[in-house]
Amino acid sequence: AQSVTQLDSQVPVFEEAPVELRCNYSSSVSVYLFWYVQYPNQGLQLLLKYLSGSTLVKGINGFEAEFNKSQTSFHLRKPSVHISDTAEYFCAVSESSNDYKLSFGAGTTVTVRA
Amino acid sequence: KAGVTQTPRYLIKTRGQQVTLSCSPISGHRSVSWYQQTPGQGLQFLFEYFSETQRNKGNFPGRFSGRQFSNSRSEMNVSTLELGDSALYLCASSSTAVYGYTFGSGTRLTVV
Repeated sequence: AQSVTQLDSQVPVFEEAPVELRCNYSSSVSVYLFWYVQYPNQGLQLLLKYLSGSTLVKGINGFEAEFNKSQTSFHLRKPSVHISDTAEYFCAVSESSNDYKLSFGAGTTVTVRA
Repeated sequence: KAGVTQTPRYLIKTRGQQVTLSCSPISGHRSVSWYQQTPGQGLQFLFEYFSETQRNKGNFPGRFSGRQFSNSRSEMNVSTLELGDSALYLCASSSTAVYGYTFGSGTRLTVV
């Protein structure tokens, strides 16, 4: 069974500083990986996804993530954050053996300060 | 292209009552999934429907049920509500699950 661990529950960061959100997963088979963002009182918005191919994935709003199969990680990065990036971020994994059902990490709350 | 629409956005119910939530997927999407989000348990998978058939089910009691109509719209029903059912219920649709899901804004259910 797959599981997802987001290593940081809260990440405070200053505006224009870089940020990295860490995500590790456990699975014995090939997986598909996703990062979603949730703003207050809203649903989840897809930031980016890794299905296959290049291990560096670029998403919306300047975010990118790197898939590392040997370390079973899929860390999310942004080189320079804005106040508007304050939100909760979720890493998710799916696999064919589970009909591509999404399993989510516990989430990381990013608070950007001026 | 319209997104995933969930109605209502907010709902207050009393313990013991039942509730029905609605989800209209993106046009052309045949897969609809439901998730429960709470501060304590995070995002938990409830069930998935594809072409009117339940394809996957999470670990929730039988009080939680759903269905999907021929136009792919889906409803979720919770009977005999408990205080612990208070949560944000999210619906997500997909054309092909491997490519991920698009989520709606959710229905905030409060049980008092």
